[in-house]
Amino acid sequence: QKEVEQDPGPLSVPEGAIVSLNCTYSNSAFQYFMWYRQYSRKGPELLMYTYSSGNKEDGRFTAQVDKSSKYISLFIRDSQPSDSATYLCAMSAGTGRRALTFGSGTRLQVQP
Amino acid sequence: NAGVMQNPRHLVRRRGQEARLRCSPMKGHSHVYWYRQLPEEGLKFMVYLQKENIIDESGMPKERFSAEFPKEGPSILRIQQVVRGDSAAYFCASSPSSAASGRSSYNEQFFGPGTRLTVL
Repeated sequence: QKEVEQDPGPLSVPEGAIVSLNCTYSNSAFQYFMWYRQYSRKGPELLMYTYSSGNKEDGRFTAQVDKSSKYISLFIRDSQPSDSATYLCAMSAGTGRRALTFGSGTRLQVQP
Repeated sequence: NAGVMQNPRHLVRRRGQEARLRCSPMKGHSHVYWYRQLPEEGLKFMVYLQKENIIDESGMPKERFSAEFPKEGPSILRIQQVVRGDSAAYFCASSPSSAASGRSSYNEQFFGPGTRLTVL
């Protein structure tokens, strides 16, 4: 079993839809949670960063962490065709153990 | 404010040759991480370095791979005697030290554009 599970998709939605992306994990030591966006043949771009449980909002993006369920989510409101990319969740245990463990990524396609 | 820089962007090597990948972290960042993305697979951690020190190399293959981050100059990921299975995208990330993190957390990692290694 992988430490971080993420549905690979592809997920296809119409423009303007709300997108929900999720990851589950098994390592209770993870405390820092990130979402990255990766366009084809490009480097991952950091979208959201959260520490421990809770919600964080930044523009059209909302990240949620539920440590009790070992479940994290990324919501994208008013999705745009330019949001079409692969979304990667990543997490680490933090100080002294900074290595990120990534999910396999979810491919999102926003149809105009 | 330049981001993480990696070069070369594309590298072609024949089996048995050496590959050297370079990474310059973001300005003010003193921590560097290397990750590998194999075709159709996720990103896998390889090694974490600070200036002149390897902090965590738990993801590095035991043979042929080495990394350094000298006091001056970029971090180098070196692959000796490359094989076809080494063909992948290699990404470098950087983060600030805890003392210099300022507005961002020292756990946030910012990635470069990657080096795509092809072994013929």
